[in-house]
Amino acid sequence: TQLLEQSPQFLSIQEGENLTVYCNSSSVFSSLQWYRQEPGEGPVLLVTVVTGGEVKKLKRLTFQFGDARKDSSLHITAAQPGDTGLYLCAGARMGGYQKVTFGTGTKLQVIP
Amino acid sequence: EPEVTQTPSHQVTQMGQEVILRCVPISNHLYFYWYRQILGQKVEFLVSFYNNEISEKSEIFDDQFSVERPDGSNFTLKIRSTKLEDSAMYFCASSENRSNEKLFFGSGTQLSVL
Repeated sequence: TQLLEQSPQFLSIQEGENLTVYCNSSSVFSSLQWYRQEPGEGPVLLVTVVTGGEVKKLKRLTFQFGDARKDSSLHITAAQPGDTGLYLCAGARMGGYQKVTFGTGTKLQVIP
Repeated sequence: EPEVTQTPSHQVTQMGQEVILRCVPISNHLYFYWYRQILGQKVEFLVSFYNNEISEKSEIFDDQFSVERPDGSNFTLKIRSTKLEDSAMYFCASSENRSNEKLFFGSGTQLSVL
């Protein structure tokens, strides 16, 4: 069983602060995805990283895939209340192509 | 923008009853999935489907579950005899290609088993 552990589980910060969410596993993934989920909605894909060491930026969000393809991080600069939500990492395994395994999730609250 | 649509958004059923959850994946996508999320827990993989057959399933997807693509557009999940612990949000997802780098999720069906 491939486990993806996210930390922290919960994060409450003030508007304008920076934060980093971590996604760690002992397994190697062919790609890793980050999703954001609003209450009562399905996960919405933010980004996919596929190369070890890859860094992708999406406005104030920076995503990094670890060199060994076992971990990833999401950094948000100058957080806004609109960033509030559940952030999920999800990994597609090496050698397989059908299943994406989700992480435990990080619930972010940005206080105005 | 194309999207995955799911119906109904909410389903309430009695324990032991059969339910069918429906999904219309994005039209040019070839790979289809069902996931579920029990309240407060993580999103769990149930099954993947390609070329009219199951390509992978989890231990959750036991004999009570089945999937079908009855026509060119719908993708359904059937639970034959629902149990209380089947109560969850069920998400359908689809992807265009095998690399599975981009999954598009529907808004989910909230299933409540009483």
